[in-house]
Amino acid sequence: EIVLTQSPGTLSLSPGERATLSCRASQSVSSSYLAWYQHKRGQAPRLLIYGASSRATGIPDRVSGSGSGTDFTLTISRLEPEDFAVYYCQHYGSLLTFGGGTKVEI
Amino acid sequence: QVQLQESGPGLVKPSETLSLTCTVSGGSIDYYYWNWIRQSPGKGLEWIGCVYYSGTTNYNPSLKSRVTMSVDTSKNQFSLKLSSVTAADTAVYYCARDRLPYQNLYLFDPWGQGTLVTVSS
Repeated sequence: EIVLTQSPGTLSLSPGERATLSCRASQSVSSSYLAWYQHKRGQAPRLLIYGASSRATGIPDRVSGSGSGTDFTLTISRLEPEDFAVYYCQHYGSLLTFGGGTKVEI
Repeated sequence: QVQLQESGPGLVKPSETLSLTCTVSGGSIDYYYWNWIRQSPGKGLEWIGCVYYSGTTNYNPSLKSRVTMSVDTSKNQFSLKLSSVTAADTAVYYCARDRLPYQNLYLFDPWGQGTLVTVSS
């Protein structure tokens, strides 16, 4: 079983700052199957990134994903007010697992 | 664009069966895998299972003995039944579509906004 560990648990930042979120896998995974979601309370979770670095439809280019092997990163270059949310990484494909989430707060 | 909406009772008694429906609007239920995912209070996301538009199902082994999923293409809906519920089944339940047709990749897009189901007498 692959375990995804996200860090930090909470990230306190201000609008305009850069957010860097980490997702570490317990064993090497194919970057083709690493996704990131954004979740705001009371709303539907939203797919941001799939294949480690491909943006989903409608996702602005200030949101980017990178990484390979066991270390993956979600970067939001300039935080907008709507970016304050919880972010989850996920391994999909034949092995499905979610990370525990990182909360980005003001 | 495609939107999903969960519906069903918000309160279920212990030992009874939880029943939820997800209504798909803005697109057809055909050719896609449709999933249920839950998040218990303070815990992580847990995939419950999926149903293909044809009716084929695939369940999380940890819940398999209690889960039944079905699809009604005429109503553009799919459903979840979870039997013998306990307090541990209290969670927000989400429905979600697999991103691409014909493929069961467990890449979820879009999701419904979720519905809280509380198990309590």
